[in-house]
Amino acid sequence: AQTVTQSQPEMSVQEAETVTLSCTYDTSENNYYLFWYKQPPSRQMILVIRQEAYKQQNATENRFSVNFQKAAKSFSLKISDSQLGDTAMYFCAFTSHSSGSARQLTFGSGTQLTVLP
Amino acid sequence: EAQVTQNPRYLITVTGKKLTVTCSQNMNHEYMSWYRQDPGLGLRQIYYSMNVEVTDKGDVPEGYKVSRKEKRNFPLILESPSPNQTSLYFCASKQGFSGNTIYFGEGSWLTVV
Repeated sequence: AQTVTQSQPEMSVQEAETVTLSCTYDTSENNYYLFWYKQPPSRQMILVIRQEAYKQQNATENRFSVNFQKAAKSFSLKISDSQLGDTAMYFCAFTSHSSGSARQLTFGSGTQLTVLP
Repeated sequence: EAQVTQNPRYLITVTGKKLTVTCSQNMNHEYMSWYRQDPGLGLRQIYYSMNVEVTDKGDVPEGYKVSRKEKRNFPLILESPSPNQTSLYFCASKQGFSGNTIYFGEGSWLTVV
């Protein structure tokens, strides 16, 4: 079974600064996908960024980028130029490419990020 | 607009009173799923469906039922709700069975007293 671990329950960062959220996962699969979701106070789940395991290049979306280390099973999220609107709970998630386990999107426990003015 | 719609968004009910949370998607997705979110636990999968009439258990299926009679709808049924089912529930859907983007509903807050 896959597991996803987010070891930082809470983090804070000053506006305009850079912050990195950590995520590690455990799987025996070789082909899989990793995601970061943002959940603002509205509780809506918003996809931030997606990484395919077979792609070595780290995914980027504007101010958001990942550091994907497949051998270390690490998938951290870097937020540059933090904005007040980035304040949210952030979830790391994993899904396998194989049809047998494709049903499962496994989430970490989340990191509450607060951007300070 | 592509969306997943859940109803009700907020509900307070009493122990043992059957309730149904509806979920509908307008993207013709084969895959649909239900999750519950609890503090410190992230989101955990309750049930999922690969297509019409095909459903299977997730990690926490006890106390829940689902059905998939139409492709667009995937209701979550609590036959006899208990206080430990107080939670935030999300319905989700996606195209196909691989790592495609999963779309979430806005969530349903359920309180069982």
